[in-house]
Amino acid sequence: AQSVTQLGSHVSVSEGALVLLRCNYSSSVPPYLFWYVQYPNQGLQLLLKYTSAATLVKGINGFEAEFKKSETSFHLTKPSAHMSDAAEYFCAATNTGGFKTIFGAGTRLFVKA
Amino acid sequence: DTGVSQNPRHKITKRGQNVTFRCDPISEHNRLYWYRQTLGQGPEFLTYFQNEAQLEKSRLLSDRFSAERPKGSFSTLEIQRTEQGDSAMYLCASSLVDGKAGANVLTFGAGSRLTVL
Repeated sequence: AQSVTQLGSHVSVSEGALVLLRCNYSSSVPPYLFWYVQYPNQGLQLLLKYTSAATLVKGINGFEAEFKKSETSFHLTKPSAHMSDAAEYFCAATNTGGFKTIFGAGTRLFVKA
Repeated sequence: DTGVSQNPRHKITKRGQNVTFRCDPISEHNRLYWYRQTLGQGPEFLTYFQNEAQLEKSRLLSDRFSAERPKGSFSTLEIQRTEQGDSAMYLCASSLVDGKAGANVLTFGAGSRLTVL
């Protein structure tokens, strides 16, 4: 069964520092991969998606993610954290049938001034 | 377009009562999903509709849960004889299926939080 693992339930960085949120997927066939962000009292919003077109995917708010098949990883990065980036981030993948999106447990990002 | 709307946003009920949540998806979207999210976890798939047809249900969706999407528009999720373990955030999402079914992006509502006392 397909699964998504996010390493670290909490990540804390200083404002201006690099953000790295880790995600590994388990699948015999590379799935479609996504990063979603959830701000307090809001619905999940798409940050970026990987659909096999390019391994380095750029998203909104300066975030990007790189698909590495050999490592079955899809880590999310941002060169310089802003206070407004504080939120919960979810890595997700679709199943091979294409109808079910499976989410990781989430990583809460804290940004210190 | 006002996005995906869910009502009520919060529901507190006593164990054994029935509750119903409503989801109004983005009007041009043809797929509608229900997820459940508990504290410290990511959203868990419950069920999905393509237009008015319910095509897949998770094992998490016990017999006490029923979802409908009459006429392929809004959807309701009913929980009968609620249990304390049903306390969670119930998320609705919709999407427009394109040529690559797996690449469709989910647009989520803000969720309906259920507390069962």
